Amino acid sequence: DGGITQSPKYLFRKEGQNVTLSCEQNLNHDAMYWYRQDPGQGLRLIYYSQIVNDFQKGDIAEGYSVSREKKESFPLTVTSAQKNPTAFYLCASSLSSGSYNEQFFGPGTRLTVL
Amino acid sequence: QKEVEQNSGPLSVPEGAIASLNCTYSDRVSQSFFWYRQYSGKSPELIMSIYSNGDKEDGRFTAQLNKASQYVSLLIRDSQPSDSATYLCAVIEPAGANSKLTFGKGITLSVRP
Repeated sequence: DGGITQSPKYLFRKEGQNVTLSCEQNLNHDAMYWYRQDPGQGLRLIYYSQIVNDFQKGDIAEGYSVSREKKESFPLTVTSAQKNPTAFYLCASSLSSGSYNEQFFGPGTRLTVL
Repeated sequence: QKEVEQNSGPLSVPEGAIASLNCTYSDRVSQSFFWYRQYSGKSPELIMSIYSNGDKEDGRFTAQLNKASQYVSLLIRDSQPSDSATYLCAVIEPAGANSKLTFGKGITLSVRP
């Protein structure tokens, strides 16, 4: 059963804590992406990775970090430096990062700062 | 700053009607266009992609692209209550190996039984 999984579904963070969101895919896709969605807003790109051990900053990378040690996995860490982390976080993947490649999304993680 | 605009909304149509969703984009060299459907509380689901001018049909959905006027639209024929969702337009500019999606804010569609 191929697809993209994200965990946890809901995450609560205290002020000053770092938290890590998991994203795994078994689609054999090369490219993976992290987006953030706020209520009534479009998706904004945080980080993306085209191949293992390589990643680039998106439009709103400040306060976030990622790693890509395996093709299947692209975890996102929300650090204490992120001033307003409460949002819906979406992981996506595509066969490659070229212009014609469709991106498919995981189910998302909803992060709330207490 | 590349922009994708979805200004008309929310949209309400009766069951069985045609719903027309519009999207304009600012970057004239944009190359690939996508429509995603997002139910409340869920993640976006890809429903249509279009790369060349004209119409592309898939079941009850038709995507229309006009690169000269820089707009892309989605028509939903015989609208059903299950079509009630937010529809996101997304655009990729042709940047070779580093192409990134830019999303509009979405249009919320409500189909009245």
